[in-house]
Amino acid sequence: EVQLVESGGGLVQPGRSLKLSCVASGFTFSNYGMNWIRQAPGKGLEWVAYISSGSSYIYYAETVKGRFTISRDNAKNTLYLQMTSLRSEDTALYYCARQRYNTLWGQGVMVTVSS
Amino acid sequence: IQLTQSPSLLSASVGDRVTLSCKGSQNINNYLAWYQQKLGEAPKLLIYNTNSLQTGIPSRFSGSGSGTDYTLTISSLQPEDVATYFCYQYNNGWTFGGGTKLELK
Repeated sequence: EVQLVESGGGLVQPGRSLKLSCVASGFTFSNYGMNWIRQAPGKGLEWVAYISSGSSYIYYAETVKGRFTISRDNAKNTLYLQMTSLRSEDTALYYCARQRYNTLWGQGVMVTVSS
Repeated sequence: IQLTQSPSLLSASVGDRVTLSCKGSQNINNYLAWYQQKLGEAPKLLIYNTNSLQTGIPSRFSGSGSGTDYTLTISSLQPEDVATYFCYQYNNGWTFGGGTKLELK
């Protein structure tokens, strides 16, 4: 089955770190660029970061630049998002998505930043 | 690039032709996609590159536009189309519009 499955979310205190994972299956992961996209509770969608298929090109939203790091391991079919210096405004459902225009989405993983 | 969707809320009846608008602050060069998000679900790609229908999406959905102005049209609204719709540009960076919530009248 073609799918993306995120994990690694949870409740974390402000200023702490968290690392999300997204495991791909059913397609050739190494052929596709990948995005992380988030959605705060009851709000719209916000693009967070993009990584090209071979990790040569990486881009971040200004709201997370310098705090978040996107990476991937094509041998493990896995996308990552390392989040540091977390803030309350980072509380959201985090989705991974395939390709520049998000042809396939995971189910999302919840990150709650609160003391 | 900022994207402005209108209206933010749209009420329509089954069978209606529905038009959703997405306007960019700069030229998007047709790198515009539309997503449907139903309550409690992940978004689903409907249209990419302005007017290309994603595989498996009903033909009542169509996209059009150019430059800064883009439109998603549902030719005959069905009950299962109740959802929030987001536009998204990937021409210069990546940006989502604020969404249009579509409900049945």
